[in-house]
Amino acid sequence: EIVLTQSPSTLSLSPGEGATLSCRASQSVSSNYLAWFQRKPGQAPRLLIYDASSRATGIPDRFSGIGSGTDFTLTISRLEPEDFAVYYCHQYGGSPRTFGGGTKVEIK
Amino acid sequence: QVQLQESGPGLVKPSETLSLTCTVSGGSINSYYWAWMRQPPGKGLEWIGFIYYSGSTNYNPSLKSRVTISLGTSENQFSLKLNSVTDADTAVYYCARLGYCGSNWCLPDYWGQGTLVTVSS
Repeated sequence: EIVLTQSPSTLSLSPGEGATLSCRASQSVSSNYLAWFQRKPGQAPRLLIYDASSRATGIPDRFSGIGSGTDFTLTISRLEPEDFAVYYCHQYGGSPRTFGGGTKVEIK
Repeated sequence: QVQLQESGPGLVKPSETLSLTCTVSGGSINSYYWAWMRQPPGKGLEWIGFIYYSGSTNYNPSLKSRVTISLGTSENQFSLKLNSVTDADTAVYYCARLGYCGSNWCLPDYWGQGTLVTVSS
């Protein structure tokens, strides 16, 4: 099973600042099948990024993903008030699919 | 707008069977994969498995001996059964549609709100 480790666990930032979230896999993720989800309290998770770097339909271009193999990064270029949430990485290249523990982006 | 709603007992005794149903509205269950996931308190999400509308299934190996995902007896429903539960199975359980697809993969695009199931005597 591929273990995904996200860091930091919490990121305290102000609106307008940039955010960099890391996801490290215990082994190489096949075909870079790595996704990022956003989850807000009381809401279902929303798919942001798939295949490590492709934005899902309707996702603003301030969200970008990069990475390959075992190291992946989600960057939010300028935080909007609605971006404060928990972010999860998810690999779907190996069985079973697994998720990271999440990074909470909170308002400083 | 597709909506999913989990339903079932919120309390299950140790060694018994956890049974949940996911009801899909606003869309058909046909032509999609449907998944179950869970999140224990204070922990990350765990993939349980999925079912195709044709009935074929795929399970997390760590749960395979105890889990069954099936299409519901009612149209637009699918179900999860997890037997011989222990405290470790206490979690919020989510159902989801795997509707965002690429060449050989599908990702969740619609999720239920989740339902807390507590295993306790």
